[in-house]
Amino acid sequence: AQSVTQLGSHVSVSEGALVLLRCNYSSSVPPYLFWYVQYPNQGLQLLLKYTSAATLVKGINGFEAEFKKSETSFHLTKPSAHMSDAAEYFCAVSDRKSGTYKYIFGTGTRLKVLA
Amino acid sequence: EAGVTQFPSHSVIEKGQTVTLRCDPISGHDNLYWYRRVMGKEIKFLLHFVKESKQDESGMPNNRFLAERTGGTYSTLKVQPAELEDSGVYFCASSQGLADTQYFGPGTRLTVL
Repeated sequence: AQSVTQLGSHVSVSEGALVLLRCNYSSSVPPYLFWYVQYPNQGLQLLLKYTSAATLVKGINGFEAEFKKSETSFHLTKPSAHMSDAAEYFCAVSDRKSGTYKYIFGTGTRLKVLA
Repeated sequence: EAGVTQFPSHSVIEKGQTVTLRCDPISGHDNLYWYRRVMGKEIKFLLHFVKESKQDESGMPNNRFLAERTGGTYSTLKVQPAELEDSGVYFCASSQGLADTQYFGPGTRLTVL
């Protein structure tokens, strides 16, 4: 069965510091992987996705993620945190094996940016 | 182009009452998904429509939940009768093709007292 693990339900970084949010996945087929962000009182917004092309994926707002098959990881990074990055971040894998392509999400990581 | 919309944004009901949530997908998107996040837990899949047909309802918690997608356009999710454990945020998502990116609505926050 496919699964996603996000290490750290809460992460705090200083403004201007590196943001690193961890995601590990389990999948019996080549995965499609996603990062979504939820800002306060808003819905889920797609940050970036990996669908078997380039392993380094660039997304919106300066975020990027690297697919590492050997480590079954898809960690999200941003070189310099802004106050506006404070939000909850979700990693997800698409269940391609079942044929529905439904998403399986991690438990989310709430990012706090300190001034 | 309008995104996925959901109504209502919030709903507070008493245990035993009925609530109907609505989702309007992006125009032209055949695939419609419902997900739910119970407080503190992960977002979990409920069911998947392709046009008006249910493709996968393996995530529906029990028979108190009924989803429909009339004419392959908007979808409703009815909870009858509601229980305390049904509280959470219900998300709807749509995609054009099966393997395409899903676009999410803002969610409906359901509170059952």
